[in-house]
Amino acid sequence: DAGVTQSPTHLIKTRGQQVTLRCSPKSGHDTVSWYQQALGQGPQFIFQYYEEEERQRGNFPDRFSGHQFPNYSSELNVNALLLGDSALYLCASSPGHAVSYEQYFGPGTRLTVT
Amino acid sequence: SQQGEEDPQALSIQEGENATMNCSYKTSINNLQWYRQNSGRGLVHLILIRSNEREKHSGRLRVTLDTSKKSSSLLITASRAADTASYFCAVPQGGSEKLVFGKGTKLTVNP
Repeated sequence: DAGVTQSPTHLIKTRGQQVTLRCSPKSGHDTVSWYQQALGQGPQFIFQYYEEEERQRGNFPDRFSGHQFPNYSSELNVNALLLGDSALYLCASSPGHAVSYEQYFGPGTRLTVT
Repeated sequence: SQQGEEDPQALSIQEGENATMNCSYKTSINNLQWYRQNSGRGLVHLILIRSNEREKHSGRLRVTLDTSKKSSSLLITASRAADTASYFCAVPQGGSEKLVFGKGTKLTVNP
């Protein structure tokens, strides 16, 4: 049983560009959450998708957007990249949208903005 | 905003010793979760403890929760070099389904 997968593993972009990160949830999971983790910090909640809709959102600007597909996979899009967007982006899936479910994390995508 | 805050920020011990990490939070919660992260990779869920539970065990892990003090502790007994990692507590942000993580405790277990 494949766990949560993310692509790409690493990415280097230039300021002002746009980036799309992808996530496939663990089999049987219908909820996907995205987190941003800066170096030396804990993960920061970006948003959560359930039933193809954004259900919860953290304190991130509209430059961060997402999408969930009918097969529950998800994309995170970041427009007009800033140097401060450099971070590890983590996708987590769960078998429901309630916060009482444990999150299964993917290995992350390391984004570097130059 | 509500946040789990781990203490200490860093901990270095010898193999075989016990490691204790603490987490404090600010408002009422219905559960608290602990996660481990190895060297900048994805997080692994360790234990979820509900607000009506005081203690929970999983293998060499023991988690306690004191809702009156708004604190939790994670004890790793008989530590191994493979336990070297960062450990995070996570709590739901009040009234929402958002999980809020602390900055973590970086544990180093020396062989």
